[in-house]
Amino acid sequence: DVKVTQSSRYLVKRTGEKVFLECVQDMDHENMFWYRQDPGLGLRLIYFSYDVKMKEKGDIPEGYSVSREKKERFSLILESASTNQTSMYLCASGTLQGWHGYTFGSGTRLTVV
Amino acid sequence: AQTVTQSQPEMSVQEAETVTLSCTYDTSESDYYLFWYKQPPSRQMILVIRQEAYKQQNATENRFSVNFQKAAKSFSLKISDSQLGDAAMYFCAYRRSNDMRFGAGTRLTVKP
Repeated sequence: DVKVTQSSRYLVKRTGEKVFLECVQDMDHENMFWYRQDPGLGLRLIYFSYDVKMKEKGDIPEGYSVSREKKERFSLILESASTNQTSMYLCASGTLQGWHGYTFGSGTRLTVV
Repeated sequence: AQTVTQSQPEMSVQEAETVTLSCTYDTSESDYYLFWYKQPPSRQMILVIRQEAYKQQNATENRFSVNFQKAAKSFSLKISDSQLGDAAMYFCAYRRSNDMRFGAGTRLTVKP
């Protein structure tokens, strides 16, 4: 069964901390994505990557960075966590073919206190 | 930028009945894909059904079907014979190339 695995299901961090959210996929997908999910706003794209070491900004990249050193792994980094980054973070992967939807991880619920 | 609108934040249906969730989108493109995802309390996003814009025939997957109106830019999801396990957040999504946009979601409650 294909999988996208996010390293943490729940995370509590302090304001100002550097936070790493890890995502690993086992489907050899070219594309990987980080979304943020908030009530009433749906899923908003933070960053995506279409190849190793490549990244593109999404709609809300401010305060975030990403790293993709290996094809299967895509990390989201909060350089200095703030309370307004308290949210659900979803990682997804997908092929280049538009017919295929994305495969999602189970999400990381991050609370910044 | 493409936008996806789900105008029903919450919907409720009686078990065994039929419910329709609405979705509209805005695009100037003619070639794209549309999806409905289900997110149960486990938070795992599950692909329910998908539609290619160039296909006129509406997609069907068991109890789930869509009403795709390309000119109206409308993509509604019909769930027949609703089951308790259908209770979840449902997200409509539009994809073109590497750009997938989601609506705000509709929370579906199924009453026994």
